[in-house]
Amino acid sequence: GAVVSQHPSRVICKSGTSVKIECRSLDFQATTMFWYRQFPKQSLMLMATSNEGSKATYEQGVEKDKFLINHASLTLSTLTVTSAHPEDSSFYICSARVAGAGELFFGEGSRLTVL
Amino acid sequence: AQSVTQPDIHITVSEGASLELRCNYSYGATPYLFWYVQSPGQGLQLLLKYFSGDTLVQGIKGFEAEFKRSQSSFNLRKPSVHWSDAAEYFCAVGSGGSNYKLTFGKGTLLTVNP
Repeated sequence: GAVVSQHPSRVICKSGTSVKIECRSLDFQATTMFWYRQFPKQSLMLMATSNEGSKATYEQGVEKDKFLINHASLTLSTLTVTSAHPEDSSFYICSARVAGAGELFFGEGSRLTVL
Repeated sequence: AQSVTQPDIHITVSEGASLELRCNYSYGATPYLFWYVQSPGQGLQLLLKYFSGDTLVQGIKGFEAEFKRSQSSFNLRKPSVHWSDAAEYFCAVGSGGSNYKLTFGKGTLLTVNP
């Protein structure tokens, strides 16, 4: 149980285009989902927290207009990187939390490369 | 604000040797503590967690961790390391309340020599 699926696992796009990454909780309802960014050989940086049906809460320094997060249902959250640039290239990981639980369950991550 | 310190960036052990990865946290209340493991290019897998009760917690893959409030530590241990344990290990603290989130340490890379 507690499986989180992230898609796509790898994506390459041209500079200026937008990319959408999906995060699904497969066998549970996730009241809260989190999006992290991880640079090579570094820790995870929390980008934003999203609660189903409400606007995402972004961490300081994260551009909300560039990283659009939608949490339309209890099993799906999406991250859209708009007008992507090479500096947006990174490993993006989503995670999900069951209401009242302390642990997060993580997706497999998505490697974004912007050319 | 909570924080997590993993003092060791990289640790190398021989297969079969014991392992201890250090983690210190800073948090005002009783913390929720976690250890996660990440293989290259993969997401994170939960090894174990501590919320309350017995301060020695058992996890998957033969790992255990001990919560020591007086030292603000939550060190991860394994008595005999296997080559497949080579990975990045992250300690994390969860803050309570309506704005719950996990804060991660910088990670410890474990290399296992044959």
